[in-house]
Amino acid sequence: QVQLKETGPDLVQLTQTLSITCTVSGFSLTTYNVHWVRQPPGKGLEWMGAMWNGGDTDYNSAFKSRLSISRDTSKSQVFLKMNSLQTDDTAKYFCDRLIHNNYFDYWGQGVMVTVSS
Amino acid sequence: DIQMTQSPASLSASLGETVTIECLASEDIYDILAWYQQKPGKSPQFLIYDASSLHTGAPSRFSGSGSGTQYSLKINSLQPEDFASYYCQNGLSAPLTFGSGTKLEIK
Repeated sequence: QVQLKETGPDLVQLTQTLSITCTVSGFSLTTYNVHWVRQPPGKGLEWMGAMWNGGDTDYNSAFKSRLSISRDTSKSQVFLKMNSLQTDDTAKYFCDRLIHNNYFDYWGQGVMVTVSS
Repeated sequence: DIQMTQSPASLSASLGETVTIECLASEDIYDILAWYQQKPGKSPQFLIYDASSLHTGAPSRFSGSGSGTQYSLKINSLQPEDFASYYCQNGLSAPLTFGSGTKLEIK
């Protein structure tokens, strides 16, 4: 059974760093790609970046150099780290599995992160 | 970046009605398009891929069509569980982009 689960803080202080872990089960990170998507409250979905099954990463240029994605295949975990958080980074952060043609067939439940001043 | 323009932003309909949601890409995406359904407080659910193929487990009252830059999602005979938000997604090239969403409400 394919599952993804995000764990991370509910609250992050302005200008600080956000760290979220995505733990997957039911598939291997060396076979499938895992991406990150976020959704501000009441708004739409925004693609953030990718961890490809070979270990390469891609990032949405909208996040410039603030975003870093890494993984630990032995623990079936993918990590998102984003620094210099601003109030408009308040959002629900999802990790999801990517299949052919860049579609997301499984999503985690998401973690709601509020950036507080 | 490929921009995805979705319309309408909101839609009111009655049980049993048929509705259509449109998605316009800023360039040809060669049918590399997906549709997702999202209920309040939940994560998106994969519905349609390659513009018109139904994902396993998605009800057959959902159908997708289109080509080039213009795509649509049709829901026949609306059921109570269909009232949700819907998003299209470009899968052709990074950055992967989503439409702004359509909120389907009960009339």
